[in-house]
Amino acid sequence: GENVEQHPSTLSVQEGDSAVIKCTYSDSASNYFPWYKQELGKGPQLIIDIRSNVGEKKDQRIAVTLNKTAKHFSLHITETQPEDSAVYFCAASVTYKYIFGTGTRLKVLA
Amino acid sequence: GAVVSQHPSRVICKSGTSVKIECRSLDFQATTMFWYRQFPKKSLMLMATSNEGSKATYEQGVEKDKFLINHASLTLSTLTVTSAHPEDSSFYICSARPSAGGAGGNTIYFGEGSWLTVV
Repeated sequence: GENVEQHPSTLSVQEGDSAVIKCTYSDSASNYFPWYKQELGKGPQLIIDIRSNVGEKKDQRIAVTLNKTAKHFSLHITETQPEDSAVYFCAASVTYKYIFGTGTRLKVLA
Repeated sequence: GAVVSQHPSRVICKSGTSVKIECRSLDFQATTMFWYRQFPKKSLMLMATSNEGSKATYEQGVEKDKFLINHASLTLSTLTVTSAHPEDSSFYICSARPSAGGAGGNTIYFGEGSWLTVV
């Protein structure tokens, strides 16, 4: 079955710096890769997603890249702000069954 | 748009009792809803897939008699934890897949989660 690895597990950056979180998936049939932000005690919120027919997608300070050959996809957050501090999860799916990564706890230091 | 509401957000129950958690899609119809369990500082684990009008599909290792799922309408799925024990204490999250339209066939939207504490 699908397996998604996510790194790093924790990440601390200074405000204004960039943060990069990487995920690797195993099922080459996966075709949809969403990223979620989860704040303490709340449900995950979709922040950006990418489909397998696209290599990169950007939305303001957030971007996602996908390398299908290597089965890697990454989340890039530029000009980080304290409110970006949260746990971020990647996921991979073939249909609507999501397999989540293990999460990255991002701390943006003011 | 695409709001999923869970209720209650927090619940405390006594061991041996049953507790029901509701998941509602507020502004879209959802043929399929999903229930996840999340332990502190861990990832989301899919428990079951709930299909409107039919039996839920449970993931391996999840007791269907313990975690009863009912998806009686296109906007409501319920998870009932039966004969709850302290080890059932967890954060339960639902998600819903729009029946039509939305951001794409694979996009699902999450509720805010429900904290269950069994004492």
